[in-house]
Amino acid sequence: QVQLVQSGAEMKKPGASVKISCKASGYSFTTYDMHWVRQTPGQGLEWVGRIGTSGDDTTYGQKFQGRLTVTRDSSTATVYMELSSLRSDDTGVYYCARDRMGSYEYWGQGTLVTVSS
Amino acid sequence: DVVMTQSPLSLPVALGQPASISCTSSQSLVHRNGNTYLNWFHQRPGHSPRRLIYEVSIRDSGVPDRFSGSGSGTDFTLKINRVDAEDVGIYYCMQGSHWPYTFGQGTKLEI
Repeated sequence: QVQLVQSGAEMKKPGASVKISCKASGYSFTTYDMHWVRQTPGQGLEWVGRIGTSGDDTTYGQKFQGRLTVTRDSSTATVYMELSSLRSDDTGVYYCARDRMGSYEYWGQGTLVTVSS
Repeated sequence: DVVMTQSPLSLPVALGQPASISCTSSQSLVHRNGNTYLNWFHQRPGHSPRRLIYEVSIRDSGVPDRFSGSGSGTDFTLKINRVDAEDVGIYYCMQGSHWPYTFGQGTKLEI
């Protein structure tokens, strides 16, 4: 069965960076794009960015431009999301989600990122 | 970005009664390929969202048939014909027709 397993909770200070992983299993990893979605108290569910099947094709949300990097490692079937220059309003739960035809059938369990001094 | 507006934001319903959630988009969700990528998700506290419906009206495997989706263009509806206790939580619509994908604010269903 398809599974997306994310790394554990992170606590960071403002200005720091965080890198979250999402390990996929149960399907052909190179067949689907992977997206990142976050859930914050202030903004609800918000699309963060995506990476295409080849790993060369990324798209980032406008508010994350310049501080977001999404990568994928086909040898380990893992996608990574790194967000830098963290602010308190980046606090929230970050999900990876497998994209197919404008929809997310599978989600990771979520990773809580807390940004606090 | 396409703005998704849900109503109501809070939905108290008695067990066994019907419920309906509306989702309106700021522009048509008809993709250039002719499909409409409108999804509905259900989220319980502490859990990831679970997809219920995709492409407006296609129910996911395992989703009870009391859930149905309808609509076209910019106006969409999720209906539950008899609310069960397990249906509590927050319901979100999401469009995947235009970049970036966007979500509604969520509708909290409570018994």
